Parts: sequence; structure tokens; C-alpha cells
Amino acid sequence: EPEVTQTPSHQVTQMGQEVILRCVPISNHLYFYWYRQILGQKVEFLVSFYNNEISEKSEIFDDQFSVERPDGSNFTLKIRSTKLEDSAMYFCASSQQGTGNYGYTFGSGTRLTVV
Amino acid sequence: AQTVTQSQPEMSVQEAETVTLSCTYDTSESDYYLFWYKQPPSRQMILVIRQEAYKQQNATENRFSVNFQKAAKSFSLKISDSQLGDAAMYFCAYRRGYGGSQGNLIFGKGTKLSVKP
Repeated sequence: EPEVTQTPSHQVTQMGQEVILRCVPISNHLYFYWYRQILGQKVEFLVSFYNNEISEKSEIFDDQFSVERPDGSNFTLKIRSTKLEDSAMYFCASSQQGTGNYGYTFGSGTRLTVV
Repeated sequence: AQTVTQSQPEMSVQEAETVTLSCTYDTSESDYYLFWYKQPPSRQMILVIRQEAYKQQNATENRFSVNFQKAAKSFSLKISDSQLGDAAMYFCAYRRGYGGSQGNLIFGKGTKLSVKP
């Protein structure tokens, strides 16, 4: 069964450093998403991406965050200057359609620890 | 804004028994979709079951079924013949329907299910 692949599985970074989280969505999917889950809390939407541009973003997704699909297969989330409160599990997901009952396929997540 | 509420932070069930996890949501829209996701200790998010709001028939997937009450805005998950592998965090999620929606999921806080042997 096709999978969404995320790398790395765990990243530790110093506060103030830039990090890039990588995702390879399912090849025939058109919609891509990043979600965040702070430990013990619910999963929160960050951003959706379609046709090489952001289609929607939450208030969490401020100027410190950016997304990119640099080569037609990878989908990246960049945090420019990490803060302690950015420590969380980050999930990438993809979907064939942007609406409807198409379920997402989630990746296994990247655990980001900011120290 | 849409909200999803899971009122049971933790639930426990005996192996082979049946358990029901509750979920309510608030929306002014008539077209939407509801999902249950399972998150085992590996923390991967796995789709368990989905329901279209326009369908009256409750969705079923093997041992998993839902009780969708649209008027009450309730969407509970029933797990029959519980297995040890069902132990996980379960998240209820809402997704807007058509009409310009970008389709992001809104999650509840989750219910941690334990299965006792």
C-alpha cells in the first residue's frame, strides 16, 4: 500500500536554529498538508498546499514557517528560527482530493525537539 | 468555527468485549465528513472509518462501526470484539464539504483506549 514517508523520524535542534522537515507524499496525490501535535495535545492543522501554492493556513503558521515542493516529489516544512514551543510531532499528509470523504494518508511523523 | 469534542479522555475495555467512544461536533454546515483516526504508540495516524454527512446509513468497517446522529451532531465509534491491538489513542475528526473548502481536518482531543487481556 502506498505510504507517505517522513524524514527524519526524530530531530533535535538548538533554539534559534532553522530546521527542515521532509516528506514524500503519495505519488498521485495532489493535496498536501502539515499538522502538528504537541505532546499530550490534539492534532492541529498548520497548512495545506495545492498546485504549488498554499491554499489554506492556520494562525499557528506564522512567518517563521514556510513550505515548499522543490522537485515534484518532496514536500518540506521549514521553521526559520525554532522556539522551545515548536517542540512537537509534525505530521505530513496527502490526499487525492481536497474535499469530500477522501481520507488523508498520514506519514509516521517527525518528532522535533527544540533545546 | 467548527469544533470537535471528545468527552472521554480515557476508556478501558476487556478483550473481546465491545466499547463505544463518544464524539460530538459543532458546525453550521450541512455538508461535511467525519472520521475516526487511530494513533498507536508508534504515533502514526491511521484512518479507521469515515462517514459522509449526507448518508443516513452508518458506516462499518469490520469490527468498527459508527453511530452517526446528524441532528444531535454526534458521531460515536463502536469497537466490537476488542483486541489487544486496538489499544491506542482515538481521534475524531471533522472535514468541511464542498463549496470552496480546502479540506483541512479538525480534530478532537482524543480518547486513550486501553484493552485488558
